[in-house]
Amino acid sequence: KNQVEQSPQSLIILEGKNCTLQCNYTVSPFSNLRWYKQDTGRGPVSLTIMTFSENTKSNGRYTATLDADTKQSSLHITASQLSDSASYICVVIGGGYQKVTFGTGTKLQVIP
Amino acid sequence: GAGVSQSPSNKVTEKGKDVELRCDPISGHTALYWYRQSLGQGLEFLIYFQGNSAPDKSGLPSDRFSAERTGGSVSTLTIQRTQQEDSAVYLCASSPRGGLAGVPNTGELFFGEGSRLTVL
Repeated sequence: KNQVEQSPQSLIILEGKNCTLQCNYTVSPFSNLRWYKQDTGRGPVSLTIMTFSENTKSNGRYTATLDADTKQSSLHITASQLSDSASYICVVIGGGYQKVTFGTGTKLQVIP
Repeated sequence: GAGVSQSPSNKVTEKGKDVELRCDPISGHTALYWYRQSLGQGLEFLIYFQGNSAPDKSGLPSDRFSAERTGGSVSTLTIQRTQQEDSAVYLCASSPRGGLAGVPNTGELFFGEGSRLTVL
């Protein structure tokens, strides 16, 4: 069964600190992986896309990594800001018919 | 508008009533998804439309749920005889994924702001 699991489920960090969110998947065949940010009460918004050949990609203070061999991805947030407080969702495309499989998300809270 | 539009943004209804939720996708997007998100939970897939193909209804939780997409554009999600456990935010997303074989799905979904349903 195609699954996407994220950890931790929730995380609280101090403003200015770094953090890393994890995503493990069993989706096969793999096409690509996206990280989405969902602010409270809003729809998710795409942060970055990782294809099979990419190991790392940065978008400002966000850096995503992908290890297609171990089927793991991470999202690293540097110098966190209060506005980073949100749910971060890992989405994997693949598994035949290019299906979209969502992880359950990591709820991040950045406190002053 | 430029984004995915959903209506109503909030709906409060009594148990047993029927509700209709509307989604207006981004113009030209061939794929349309409905998801449900209960408080503090992840996104639960409901149904997926792709062009003129038969929709993937595998996520609909019961036969009280149905959806249609008219003219390949606007979609309506209907919940009949609502129950309290139907209370959630219903999110619609569209994607520019091509309907032709071999056109990759990059997985970029553009979400609306959701319709918050409360069943009393």
